[in-house]
Amino acid sequence: RKEVEQDPGPFNVPEGATVAFNCTYSNSASQSFFWYRQDCRKEPKLLMSVYSSGNEDGRFTAQLNRASQYISLLIRDSKLSDSATYLCVVHPLNDYKLSFGAGTTVTVRA
Amino acid sequence: GAGVSQSPRYKVAKRGQDVALRCDPISGHVSLFWYQQALGQGPEFLTYFQNEAQLDKSGLPSDRFFAERPEGSVSTLKIQRTQQEDSAVYLCASSDRTSGGTDTQYFGPGTRLTVL
Repeated sequence: RKEVEQDPGPFNVPEGATVAFNCTYSNSASQSFFWYRQDCRKEPKLLMSVYSSGNEDGRFTAQLNRASQYISLLIRDSKLSDSATYLCVVHPLNDYKLSFGAGTTVTVRA
Repeated sequence: GAGVSQSPRYKVAKRGQDVALRCDPISGHVSLFWYQQALGQGPEFLTYFQNEAQLDKSGLPSDRFFAERPEGSVSTLKIQRTQQEDSAVYLCASSDRTSGGTDTQYFGPGTRLTVL
């Protein structure tokens, strides 16, 4: 079983729609959680960290459920520029490696 | 400021050739990571350096893979006798936090290796 599992999608949504997706992680010792964004043929870039209390960054909302070991990302009022692959990332306590999911592809259409 | 740079951006090798991939981390960053990203997958950890010390090479797929960072800045990932299954994007990332920290890792644009 992979350490981080994601629904690969693709999620095809119209502009202005809300889209949400989850990832699950297997290592209960995971301490830090992130969403990275990766555009086609580009490097991953940090989108946002995920905190236990949940957090928002503009149109993006991230939630963490430690009991069920899943993380979610919700995008409101989708823009064409939100089209990308979103990588779920976990970071265990006292470790340096990042564990990546395979990514969820989102395509926003006009 | 300057980010992480990698060269070459694209490399085509014939099976059996040796290749060397270079990473220039963000100036002053202590930690340097190499990841391998196969098509349709997330990056997979290969190896980690703290300054010039290679603290973890557990992710290197075989003894054909070798990485070094002799002066604690630029790093080179070398693959000997390349095989078709080595075809992937090789990503380098750097961070200014030492091991155990959770500082952001900044990724370079990657080297896309194709082995024919």
